Amino acid sequence: RKEVEQDPGPFNVPEGATVAFNCTYSNSASQSFFWYRQDCRKEPKLLMSVYSSGNEDGRFTAQLNRASQYISLLIRDSKLSDSATYLCVVSHQTGANNLFFGTGTRLTVIP
Amino acid sequence: ETGVTQTPRHLVMGMTNKKSLKCEQHLGHNAMYWYKQSAKKPLELMFVYSLEERVENNSVPSRFSPECPNSSHLFLHLHTLQPEDSALYLCASSQEASGRGEQYFGPGTRLTVT
Repeated sequence: RKEVEQDPGPFNVPEGATVAFNCTYSNSASQSFFWYRQDCRKEPKLLMSVYSSGNEDGRFTAQLNRASQYISLLIRDSKLSDSATYLCVVSHQTGANNLFFGTGTRLTVIP
Repeated sequence: ETGVTQTPRHLVMGMTNKKSLKCEQHLGHNAMYWYKQSAKKPLELMFVYSLEERVENNSVPSRFSPECPNSSHLFLHLHTLQPEDSALYLCASSQEASGRGEQYFGPGTRLTVT
């Protein structure tokens, strides 16, 4: 079973739409959770960390459900510039930094 | 320069060649990483260095040989690669090798093995 599983998409949504991505992880000992964004032919960049209580950053809201071992990312009022691949990332925090990446969910926001 | 830089950005090499990828971080971080990103696959962690000591080696073939001469520089030496090694190789750094902090990625080296 994969460490992190995501729906690869693609998600094609109109500008202004609300879109949600889900991600599941297999290791219940996972401690840290992140969403990274990767633009086409660019490197991944941290979008936001995900906290147990859920957190919001502008139009982006991240949620964590430890019991079900899933993480979600909600994007409200989608912009063209939100088009990218969104990577779900978890860390076990056992020993050296060891991040496990999902394959990513591709989002295209259409004018 | 700022952030994490990688050279070269593109590399084409034959299976008998020897080449090296270079990564430099200007963030004062203590941990550096090599990842491999292949099409339709998740990023695969290859090596982790913390304070210039290798702390993780995820069963990477010996044809990939990392080197970390100091906390700001990381190399990946390549020899006798296979076509399936063609991928984007990303370097990253973080403040500590603890799993809690953000990792900053370089732009990557797109490697093609012919």
